[in-house]
Amino acid sequence: GAGVSQSPSNKVTEKGKDVELRCDPISGHTALYWYRQSLGQGLEFLIYFQGNSAPDKSGLPSDRFSAERTGGSVSTLTIQRTQQEDSAVYLCASSLAQRGETQYFGPGTRLLVL
Amino acid sequence: SQKIEQNSEALNIQEGKTATLTCNYTNYSPAYLQWYRQDPGRGPVFLLLIRENEKEKRKERLKVTFDTTLKQSLFHITASQPADSATYLCALGGDGGTSYGKLTFGQGTILTVHP
Repeated sequence: GAGVSQSPSNKVTEKGKDVELRCDPISGHTALYWYRQSLGQGLEFLIYFQGNSAPDKSGLPSDRFSAERTGGSVSTLTIQRTQQEDSAVYLCASSLAQRGETQYFGPGTRLLVL
Repeated sequence: SQKIEQNSEALNIQEGKTATLTCNYTNYSPAYLQWYRQDPGRGPVFLLLIRENEKEKRKERLKVTFDTTLKQSLFHITASQPADSATYLCALGGDGGTSYGKLTFGQGTILTVHP
């Protein structure tokens, strides 16, 4: 079966523009996660969705970041008024549930803010 | 504040030897710990999970131990091969029994296995 897919694979934008990053999780996975990986840094948790529960947004770095998950499947991470420090690889993962299950990662979206 | 440290940024070993990677944490009470492998330009790939009530897990050439008293996990790759060269990440989840799905990752250790 297909794994987690993300689009676009690369995105170059100008400072101040808004960007949308998309994640298609594995079919049937109820949990979906977003992480950020900056050059030389570890993965930084941003947000996760579990079924119909309210998302855990505790990792979002500022109110410029938001995410939604429609129909319990596809998710979009939106960054408004991008800044150069937002440049990073944004990784999405999904799992069958959230109780310590394996997380399956997508290939990531490489965002460069000029 | 919570902190996860992986023993070194880089580890170089000879083919056939055992690679041992260390993950130490502070100010964290994980319900479980996972190890992932990440190759350049790719997303992490899950390797092993060990829960707080388990001491050791094995999978083929991989072994992980978990000592909640020492707040440490050791990850071993036996009979290492050049194909094992990658970045290895430890991740803790379920801090204090809450936020069960949220993973906190270490910085990673870059393992290079020389032929």
